Amino acid sequence: EAQVTQNPRYLITVTGKKLTVTCSQNMNHEYMSWYRQDPGLGLRQIYYSMNVEVTDKGDVPEGYKVSRKEKRNFPLILESPSPNQTSLYFCASRSSGGFLAEKLFFGSGTQLSVL
Amino acid sequence: GENVEQHPSTLSVQEGDSAVIKCTYSDSASNYFPWYKQELGKGPQLIIDIRSNVGEKKDQRIAVTLNKTAKHFSLHITETQPEDSAVYFCAASKRRYNNNDMRFGAGTRLTVKP
Repeated sequence: EAQVTQNPRYLITVTGKKLTVTCSQNMNHEYMSWYRQDPGLGLRQIYYSMNVEVTDKGDVPEGYKVSRKEKRNFPLILESPSPNQTSLYFCASRSSGGFLAEKLFFGSGTQLSVL
Repeated sequence: GENVEQHPSTLSVQEGDSAVIKCTYSDSASNYFPWYKQELGKGPQLIIDIRSNVGEKKDQRIAVTLNKTAKHFSLHITETQPEDSAVYFCAASKRRYNNNDMRFGAGTRLTVKP
C-alpha cells in the first residue's frame, strides 16, 4: 500500500530535549515536505526537499532541521524544542514528474507537546 | 508571497443540505487551486482541484468554482452526509506541478448533523 509513515503519532517532551520525528514514504517520490498545523493558521510549510541531499526552507523553518540522506526518509529534527513548537506535524511527499507532480500524499500526523 | 484566506472556520449543516466554503487569494499569478479533506486522526487528502483556465469543476457531490477576477474560489458539497464531516483546506499555487510555493488556508471544520 502506498503510504507516508510518520513516527511517533504522539510525543510529549520537555524544553531543550532534542527529538527527531521520522518520515518514510514507499512511493519513490522525489519531493518531501514537513508542515505544522496550528488552530487558525492552517498548514504552514517548515522545510522541503526536492531530492536526496537537496533541502530548502519553507515559511516557518526557525528551530527545525531536516536531512535527506535517502530518497525514502525525511526526518524532522528539533535540536532544542520550545513550547511554541507544540503543534500537529505532517510529512508529505509527491512525485516530481509530469502530471503526477501535483498531488501531495500526507502522513497521519505527529502531535507534539513541549512542556 | 501568496496569502490564502478561508471562511468560515466552522460550518454546521443538517444531513442532506448543501455546504459552501470560500477562499480568497492574493497573488494574481496563482493558477492551481486544490482542496484537501482531513478526517479525524488522518492526514489531509486531495479531493478536487481546479486550474485557472476553468471556471467550474464537478465530481459527483462536490464542485469547485473559480472567479479569477475577484480572486476567490469555493467548494460546494451537495446532499451532505455524515461522512463529509472533516476539516477542509483550500490552497493556491502558481504551478499545478512541482507546486513548492503552495499555500494553504486556515481550514474549515464541517460538521454534518444526522
